[in-house]
Amino acid sequence: QKEVEQDPGPLSVPEGAIVSLNCTYSNSAFQYFMWYRQYSRKGPELLMYTYSSGNKEDGRFTAQVDKSSKYISLFIRDSQPSDSATYLCAMSEGGYQKVTFGTGTKLQVIP
Amino acid sequence: NAGVMQNPRHLVRRRGQEARLRCSPMKGHSHVYWYRQLPEEGLKFMVYLQKENIIDESGMPKERFSAEFPKEGPSILRIQQVVRGDSAAYFCASSPGGQGAYEQYFGPGTRLTVT
Repeated sequence: QKEVEQDPGPLSVPEGAIVSLNCTYSNSAFQYFMWYRQYSRKGPELLMYTYSSGNKEDGRFTAQVDKSSKYISLFIRDSQPSDSATYLCAMSEGGYQKVTFGTGTKLQVIP
Repeated sequence: NAGVMQNPRHLVRRRGQEARLRCSPMKGHSHVYWYRQLPEEGLKFMVYLQKENIIDESGMPKERFSAEFPKEGPSILRIQQVVRGDSAAYFCASSPGGQGAYEQYFGPGTRLTVT
């Protein structure tokens, strides 16, 4: 079993839809939870990070962490064609610990 | 304020040659990470370095691969005697380190092709 599981998609939605992206994990020591966006043939770009459980909002993006269920989500409101990319979840125990990435979900927003 | 820089962006090597990939972290960042990404796969952690120190190399293959982050100059990922299976995109990331180690910023990657 992988430490971090993420549905690879692809996920196709119409412009303006609400997108929900999810990851599950098995390591209960993870404390930091991140979401990255990666456009084709580019490096990943940090979107958001949260510490422990709870919600965090930044513009059209909302990240949720449920540590009791070992489940994290990223919601994108009013999705745009420019949101079409691969979204990677990532997690860390914190401090001098490595970051473990999911395999990524490919999202396509259709105009 | 320059981001993470990697060079070269594309590298072609014949089987058996050495590949040397360079990474300059963001200004003020003292920690560097190297990842490998194969087509349609996620980022695989390779090594985590602080200046002059390897913190975690648990993802690094035991043979042919080495990494360093000297006191002066960029971090280097070295692959000796490359094989076709080494063809991949190699990404470097940097962070402020310490409690900010989770906040990583990535470079554009080096795409290695072994012929």
